[in-house]
Amino acid sequence: SAVISQKPSRDICQRGTSLTIQCQVDSQVTMMFWYRQQPGQSLTLIATANQGSEATYESGFVIDKFPISRPNLTFSTLTVSNMSPEDSSIYLCSVPKWTGGEQYFGPGTRLTVT
Amino acid sequence: AQKVTQAQTEISVVEKEDVTLDCVYETRDTTYYLFWYKQPPSGELVFLIRRNSFDEQNEISGRYSWNFQKSTSSFNFTITASQVVDSAVYFCALSEAGGGSNYKLTFGKGTLLTVNP
Repeated sequence: SAVISQKPSRDICQRGTSLTIQCQVDSQVTMMFWYRQQPGQSLTLIATANQGSEATYESGFVIDKFPISRPNLTFSTLTVSNMSPEDSSIYLCSVPKWTGGEQYFGPGTRLTVT
Repeated sequence: AQKVTQAQTEISVVEKEDVTLDCVYETRDTTYYLFWYKQPPSGELVFLIRRNSFDEQNEISGRYSWNFQKSTSSFNFTITASQVVDSAVYFCALSEAGGGSNYKLTFGKGTLLTVNP
C-alpha cells in the first residue's frame, strides 16, 4: 500500500486569502486525485492530476479557484484561492493502486475559513 | 453517469447487535469496482474492501461481511456483533475499471453508524 502524507493537517484562514495543500506519496504514481468533503457531506472529486499534463477538473470546479501542480510522480499541490467560508472542508488526496481500482487516501487537510 | 445511493443516513444500534448498511449503485459500465470505506471521528478514510463487478462471491472478514448482488445493483455491508469502535461514517463508492483517471471514485452520501454500549 502507498503511504500518503498531507500538509498542513489543518488550518484556519481568513476570507480572501489562499492556501496551498501539499500531498506527498512514498512511491511513484501516475495519477493523483483531489477530493473535497464539506462538513457532514460525502466526498466529491475536484480534479485528477497527471504528472506532466494539466489537471482535469470535474464539473463545478475550475482551475482559477483550485489550481493544481504535479511537478513529479510523488508530489502534488492543490491551492484553494480567494477563500470564502463555503470552502471550509476537508481536502484529501488519493492515489490508485496500479493493479486495479483500490485507492489510498491521505489523512486530509481540515480547512476552516473565517 | 455513475451514482451511489446509501439510503440510510443514520443508524443507531446497541453493542452486540448485527447491523446492515445498504448500498445501491448505478453505472453503464460492464466492468467496475465497488468499495466500502470507514471514516471514524478522526477523519481519515480507512479502506475496507474492493469488489470487482465480475466477482459476485460474498466476502467475510472477521465480523464484517459483504453481499454483492449484481441483479439488484446492491453491495451491502453487515457488521456482526457490533462494537463501540465500529461507530463511524461508512461510505460506499464506485469506480470504473479501465485504469488511470477511470479509477476516480463516486461516493455515496455515507451512513453514520452509532454503536451504543
